[in-house]
Amino acid sequence: TQLLEQSPQFLSIQEGENLTVYCNSSSVFSSLQWYRQEPGEGPVLLVTVVTGGEVKKLKRLTFQFGDARKDSSLHITAAQTGDTGLYLCAGGNSWGKLQFGAGTQVVVTP
Amino acid sequence: KAGVTQTPRYLIKTRGQQVTLSCSPISGHRSVSWYQQTPGQGLQFLFEYFSETQRNKGNFPGRFSGRQFSNSRSEMNVSTLELGDSALYLCASSYGQGALGELFFGEGSRLTVL
Repeated sequence: TQLLEQSPQFLSIQEGENLTVYCNSSSVFSSLQWYRQEPGEGPVLLVTVVTGGEVKKLKRLTFQFGDARKDSSLHITAAQTGDTGLYLCAGGNSWGKLQFGAGTQVVVTP
Repeated sequence: KAGVTQTPRYLIKTRGQQVTLSCSPISGHRSVSWYQQTPGQGLQFLFEYFSETQRNKGNFPGRFSGRQFSNSRSEMNVSTLELGDSALYLCASSYGQGALGELFFGEGSRLTVL
């Protein structure tokens, strides 16, 4: 059983479209991280959010941490083929291990 | 600076054998974590080492073990391999321990058990 549930599991869109992926949990986390993993590589950190309600923007990517620090979303505006990858959320607390969701596979086609 | 290096990248074993995977963290990083990645299950935490001590352990059987050396390099061992152990094993290093810092991942060791 995953502590962090990500949805959808798979998303296929065309270039220029927008997309949102979600990360939900019944647990409260001190921080929520988003990683992107491309084929044959390890995950790479995109952002860390630590405050409930926090919104961070990274160019076309917008990350939001829920008010109760149990959920998060990632929104991509005007997707590009380079956004293709497996998006993983991970929740953490200072005393424990980082817990990962199963990921959302995003495919952006030309 | 050099990233996290994992060896070997690919290996094939048969049931009942044992395997040792190696991870060299980024220079200066003292924490090394290991994860098992399988399709649909995401990254499952195996263990975390900091300054040669195991700090956290996931819910894996005792066949999975690890250690960290004084130079922060880490190894994990899986004994009596089972078909279900086929996975990508990822190592990640970070400067501090715990779950608030950024993890830097290696490219992984892909294990196939026949």
